[in-house]
Amino acid sequence: NAGVTQTPKFQVLKTGQSMTLQCAQDMNHEYMSWYRQDPGMGLRLIHYSVGAGITDQGEVPNGYNVSRSTTEDFPLRLLSAAPSQTSVYFCASSYSRQAAGNTIYFGEGSWLTVV
Amino acid sequence: GDSVTQMEGPVTLSEEAFLTINCTYTATGYPSLFWYVQYPGEGLQLLLKATKADDKGSNKGFEATYRKETTSFHLEKGSVQVSDSAVYFCALSTGANNLFFGTGTRLTVIP
Repeated sequence: NAGVTQTPKFQVLKTGQSMTLQCAQDMNHEYMSWYRQDPGMGLRLIHYSVGAGITDQGEVPNGYNVSRSTTEDFPLRLLSAAPSQTSVYFCASSYSRQAAGNTIYFGEGSWLTVV
Repeated sequence: GDSVTQMEGPVTLSEEAFLTINCTYTATGYPSLFWYVQYPGEGLQLLLKATKADDKGSNKGFEATYRKETTSFHLEKGSVQVSDSAVYFCALSTGANNLFFGTGTRLTVIP
């Protein structure tokens, strides 16, 4: 009963390095998304995908890339890490469009620090 | 644009006290409204939701009623427990594949 699985849980990066946060779900959900959580700002949408092969930008997409080659996986890539990307990242999934009031399932989060 | 304004915390209550966390929203159309809870070191979990006006969502003793006239979705619980200590997020979704979150309210319940 894995649900939404994110790796790694903790990561420290140097400015300019690149890395990929992995996200996988085993619920056959069409919709997946990435959020970042910053103090005093709640969660903000970075990128989302409504199905394999389809991705779109959210509220704060700059500095991040995503791809959706399979239904299960939705990796988030930081191309050249900056201290402003220090945050907690959450992957989420739902059966179909979030706007229909569907239950959205979140991963446990990835704590990223860029020094 | 769409947004959620949530009562700022932190909130500290004694066990068995009454809890209210205020949430108001601004949205075009008819949003669905949610309360999520985040326990220490964990991801967000859906606590309750309401998809249309006057609906009441409830779960684990928590309740919230979708009030269109006041654009509110306040979270309430009659008697909190230490295990309710967490961060609570109000959120809305409209027709645009997006969830808008409030800033979160940290609740600490002391014995």
